[in-house]
Amino acid sequence: EVNLLESGGDLVQPGGSLRVSCAASGFTFSLHAMTWVRQAPGKGLEWVSVISGRGDNTDYADSVKGRFAISRDNSKNMVYLQMTSLTADDTAIYYCGKDLYGSGNFGPRSTFDFWGQGTLVSVSS
Amino acid sequence: QSALTQPASVSGSPGESITISCTGTSSDVGPYNLVSWYQHHPGKAPKLIIYEVAKWPSGVSTRFSGSKSGNTASLTIFGLQPEDEADYYCSSYAGSKTFRVFGTGTTVTVL
Repeated sequence: EVNLLESGGDLVQPGGSLRVSCAASGFTFSLHAMTWVRQAPGKGLEWVSVISGRGDNTDYADSVKGRFAISRDNSKNMVYLQMTSLTADDTAIYYCGKDLYGSGNFGPRSTFDFWGQGTLVSVSS
Repeated sequence: QSALTQPASVSGSPGESITISCTGTSSDVGPYNLVSWYQHHPGKAPKLIIYEVAKWPSGVSTRFSGSKSGNTASLTIFGLQPEDEADYYCSSYAGSKTFRVFGTGTTVTVL
């Protein structure tokens, strides 16, 4: 059974940094691209970042490019999102998701079929 | 890249059918058969219910049906049930500049 469990959400001051994590199980982790999306309070879902199965290819939404970094440790079945220069606009529940296709890379057909329940990041002074 | 446009809310009675639209542009929904739909109960993990416009993931009810015409994709829920009450989001590949774009979300209410 596929399981994704996010952790690391916290209250952080504007300008601060935080790393959120996602522990995966129930599938061959290294074969699947992983993604992060977020949902700000009262808002819809927003795609944030994606990483290939080997971790050698990444992409970011313009809203986080240069501030966030996605990474993964395939030996631990973990994916991370390092967030820096945080602002109030980054306040959201962060969800990690797994690509349906186990091709190793991500691309136009990538479809995220399983998600965790999210971790809350609050940016406030 | 702007979000895809969905109606804010749709409602129906048990047993009825409802349709949710997802309007994009010739840069995202239009050229690609790569629209997905997610069901999201607040506080829970989003659930994939349709992918590549009209395909069902394993275990998903066929009461959910997807289609696309031009720049607009649609999700139809047949035989509406109380447990269908949730938020629904479409998502599409948006070309090389933006990996994925989501819709604005639709709250489905079962009357």
